[in-house]
Amino acid sequence: DVKVTQSSRYLVKRTGEKVFLECVQDMDHENMFWYRQDPGLGLRLIYFSYDVKMKEKGDIPEGYSVSREKKERFSLILESASTNQTSMYLCASTYRELHEQYFGPGTRLTVT
Amino acid sequence: EDQVTQSPEALRLQEGESSSLNCSYTVSGLRGLFWYRQDPGKGPEFLFTLYSAGEEKEKERLKATLTKKESFLHITAPKPEDSATYLCAVQARETSGSRLTFGEGTQLTVNP
Repeated sequence: DVKVTQSSRYLVKRTGEKVFLECVQDMDHENMFWYRQDPGLGLRLIYFSYDVKMKEKGDIPEGYSVSREKKERFSLILESASTNQTSMYLCASTYRELHEQYFGPGTRLTVT
Repeated sequence: EDQVTQSPEALRLQEGESSSLNCSYTVSGLRGLFWYRQDPGKGPEFLFTLYSAGEEKEKERLKATLTKKESFLHITAPKPEDSATYLCAVQARETSGSRLTFGEGTQLTVNP
């Protein structure tokens, strides 16, 4: 079975802190994604990566950056956390187009 | 811009009461339509992929169908364990990589 793991299930950070969310997949997938999920707004794509060291902005990249140094690992970075970044963050991976995305369990981030 | 609209937002059924969830989409050229199930506090779990109008897929009490403008998720004789949020997503031919555009979901509650 494909497994996508995320570094934390729950995280509480203060405004202005730099926050790292890590995601690891064990199926040699080429593509990896970071989403945030908010009530009434659904799943929104922040960034995705289609190869090591390659990244592309999604629909809401402002305030975020990403890093993919190894194929299995994709990190989301909040450069200076703000309260409006309180959300559920979901990582996903897929082999390529037309294949389903597999999701991790999510990280519930609260910024106070 | 690709758009996905799901209806209803919420649906309450009695155990055994069959119904359908709707996913309407606007996309430049459909590469694939995906259905996911999401339990509270967890990441979405893949159910089906549909690629062309007229296609149908089944899994236990669920059956997904696709037309040129919408997809339906039919639930036959649901059980309480079918309670979840069901998400629909599309992948367009002209988008880069394997990114998906998600609808906001239908929250299904099945009462015993």
